Amino acid sequence: GENVEQHPSTLSVQEGDSAVIKCTYSDSASNYFPWYKQELGKGPQLIIDIRSNVGEKKDQRIAVTLNKTAKHFSLHITETQPEDSAVYFCAAHASSNSGYALNFGKGTSLLVTP
Amino acid sequence: ETGVTQSPTHLIKTRGQQVTLRCSSQSGHNTVSWYQQALGQGPQFIFQYYREEENGRGNFPPRFSGLQFPNYSSELNVNALELDDSALYLCASSSGVGRDEQFFGPGTRLTVL
Repeated sequence: GENVEQHPSTLSVQEGDSAVIKCTYSDSASNYFPWYKQELGKGPQLIIDIRSNVGEKKDQRIAVTLNKTAKHFSLHITETQPEDSAVYFCAAHASSNSGYALNFGKGTSLLVTP
Repeated sequence: ETGVTQSPTHLIKTRGQQVTLRCSSQSGHNTVSWYQQALGQGPQFIFQYYREEENGRGNFPPRFSGLQFPNYSSELNVNALELDDSALYLCASSSGVGRDEQFFGPGTRLTVL
C-alpha cells in the first residue's frame, strides 16, 4: 500500500520567516496530494492541494510543489504568523482497492514565535 | 467550518463494551469516510461509504463496522472495545466517489479504560 513519509516532525520559526515541510510517497499511481492544518482540539482543515498534472500551486502565503519523478511534494509557508502554529499533515490519494482513501504522513508540529 | 458534524464530542468506555459514533456530512456530499487518529499520529483510513454501500476499507478488523443512511449521514460502530481503540475518530465527507477533496468534522475523542 501507499506509504507517506513527512519531515520534519517539529519545526520552529520566527514570525515573518518561511517554513517548508516535505513529504515523500511510494505509490506511483497516487495523483492527488492535499495538505491539512490541525489545531488543538479540532479536525484537520484542508488548506491546499495539488494534482499530479500540476507542478506547483499557490494560494496567498501558501504554496505546494510536486515532483512526480522523485515522488515528493512540499508545503511552503511564507511570512509566517503566530496563527500558523499548528500540526500540518500531508496526504496522498490511493484509489485502488481501498476506495478513495487518503494516506497521511505523521505530521509536522509548526511553532511560530513572535 | 466544514459543515461536517460529529457526535458525541467525547466519551469514555470500558474494555469489551460497544460504541456508536455519528456523523452528518456537508450539504450536497454523498460520500463519507472514517479515520482513526491516535495521539501524535496522522489519521488512518477505516472505511468509506458511498450511497449506503461500503466503498473501500483500510486495515481494521471486522469489529469496526459502519452504516450510511439515505440522508448520507453515517455511523461507526466498534464492538469489543480494546485499550488501543482510544483515539480521535474523524469523519470526512466528499461530494462523490472520484471527488478527491475530503472535508473533516471535529472528531469524537474515545477513551477506553
